[in-house]
Amino acid sequence: GENVEQHPSTLSVQEGDSAVIKCTYSDSASNYFPWYKQELGKGPQLIIDIRSNVGEKKDQRIAVTLNKTAKHFSLHITETQPEDSAVYFCAASATGFQKLVFGTGTRLLVSP
Amino acid sequence: ETGVTQSPTHLIKTRGQQVTLRCSSQSGHNTVSWYQQALGQGPQFIFQYYREEENGRGNFPPRFSGLQFPNYSSELNVNALELDDSALYLCASSLIGSNNEQFFGPGTRLTVL
Repeated sequence: GENVEQHPSTLSVQEGDSAVIKCTYSDSASNYFPWYKQELGKGPQLIIDIRSNVGEKKDQRIAVTLNKTAKHFSLHITETQPEDSAVYFCAASATGFQKLVFGTGTRLLVSP
Repeated sequence: ETGVTQSPTHLIKTRGQQVTLRCSSQSGHNTVSWYQQALGQGPQFIFQYYREEENGRGNFPPRFSGLQFPNYSSELNVNALELDDSALYLCASSLIGSNNEQFFGPGTRLTVL
């Protein structure tokens, strides 16, 4: 079945630095790749997503890139702020299969 | 527009008991998916409901069952609770044909003693 690997498991940066989280997927049929931010005691919040017909997508300080050949995608956060501190999850799914397969999460800590 | 809501927030049960968790989907959404999130892990897909029928299931035993109602709200039922069922149970709503965008509720924290 589909498997999604995510690295690193923890990431500590200084405020203003950039942060990059990487994921790889196994199912070549996957064509939808969302990223979720989960704060303590809350459910995952969709922050950005990308589909397989696009190589890059940007929304203010957040960007996602996709390399279908290598089966990997990455989340880039620029000018990090303390409120960016949370656990970030990548996920993948294929058209016709509504389930999301999640990575194991990255705990991002942004220090002032 | 109202978001996804879940009840209760927390629940404590003992091994062997049964539990029912509830979810109200985001307005305009017709599909509900349930996920189990163990501590320190990513969410794991349990099943999805569309048009009041199960529309896909993950690797969970039959003691995990669900319902969807005409107003698109949903229930997750777990029978014969085991200690390993302790987790955060998340509900996500979506619109069929929306290319898989799923929006999550705050979850129900279930503790099995």
